[in-house]
Parts: sequence; structure tokens; C-alpha cells
Amino acid sequence: AQSVTQLDSQVPVFEEAPVELRCNYSSSVSVYLFWYVQYPNQGLQLLLKYLSGSTLVKGINGFEAEFNKSQTSFHLRKPSVHISDTAEYFCAVSDYSGGYQKVTFGTGTKLQVIP
Amino acid sequence: DADVTQTPRNRITKTGKRIMLECSQTKGHDRMYWYRQDPGLGLRLIYYSFDVKDINKGEISDGYSVSRQAQAKFSLSLESAIPNQTALYFCATSGAGVGQETQYFGPGTRLLVL
Repeated sequence: AQSVTQLDSQVPVFEEAPVELRCNYSSSVSVYLFWYVQYPNQGLQLLLKYLSGSTLVKGINGFEAEFNKSQTSFHLRKPSVHISDTAEYFCAVSDYSGGYQKVTFGTGTKLQVIP
Repeated sequence: DADVTQTPRNRITKTGKRIMLECSQTKGHDRMYWYRQDPGLGLRLIYYSFDVKDINKGEISDGYSVSRQAQAKFSLSLESAIPNQTALYFCATSGAGVGQETQYFGPGTRLLVL
């Protein structure tokens, strides 16, 4: 069975500082990995995804994530955050175990950017 | 116009009432999903449908039912609402096949059961 762990429920960071949001997963088969962002009072929207190829994936709004198969991680990073990045971020893993696509979301990390 | 819409956006109901949440999409996707979001628990899958004739239970389907009226419409019903079903509910869609796993979410329905 697949699972996703986001150890940090909240991450406060000062504006223009770098940030890393951690995500670890477990799965018995090859996976696809995603980061979604949820702004206040909105639904989730895709930030970036890893399907195959280069392990460094670039997304919208200056975010990037690196797939590390040996550490089963897909951490999200941004070198300099802005107030508008304040949101909740969800890591998700998808695989095709049993012939069906299954997607599992992490519990989310709230990023609070402090002016 | 939004690709995935949900109605109503907010709903207050009483214990024991039957309610229906509706979802419509214009993305042409075959796959549709219903999730609930609770603080600290992330998103949990209630039901999913890979096409009009294929409906499957998710991890927390008890107390819920669904209907896929057409490719574009997927509704969620609470037959007899209870307070612990108070949550934020999201509908999502995706394409089928490898490379189309990205899910597209509606704006959510905030449900309060008194």
C-alpha cells in the first residue's frame, strides 16, 4: 500500500528567505509524485509533478522539487518566498498497483510567510 | 468559466437530513473523485468513478453514496447526515492513462451538520 508523510504541519518563514517542505512516500511500485497548493478558500491546484526523466522538477511560482528514489523523498523548495506563497501545500503519490491508478495525499503543510 | 464547479458552495443542515452535493466539469475527463478535507487529516477519498459505469468506494465511503449521471456530472449524497460529516468537500477530475494523473479540483463545498 502506498502512503505519504508530510512531517511538518506548519512552517513559518520570513519573506525572501528560502524554504523546504518535506515529503516522504512509500510504495511497492513505480510512482508518480505531485505537489499541490491550496490558497485560502480555494480548491487545490497543481504546483508541479514528477512522472519520469530528470529528478529535478520545476513548477509554477518559482517552486521546484527533487525526486530522490533512494530516500523515497520529494521535497519542495523555493529559494526566496513571497507573502503570496502563504498557503497549504499537499504532496501526493500515484501508482498503478493492481491495475488501477491510486492517488494518496499527505496531510498537508501550512506555509506561513512572515513579512 | 471554471472547469470544475461545485454546488452549493456552503450548506448548513441538521442531523438526519438527506443532502446532495453536485459536481460538474467541462474538461471532458472520464475520471471523477469526491474527497473530504478535515484539518490535520489532509484529503481522504470518499468515492471515485473511472467512467459512467464504473464507480468505486474510497477509503471512507460509509455514510455516503454517489451517482454518475453523465460523463460531466458526479453527485455525492449523504443519506442521513451526522455531525462528524461536517467538513470541506472537494470534487476532482483527471484524465485516464499514464501521464494524465493530474487532478483538477473544484472550489469546494463547506458543509456544516448541526
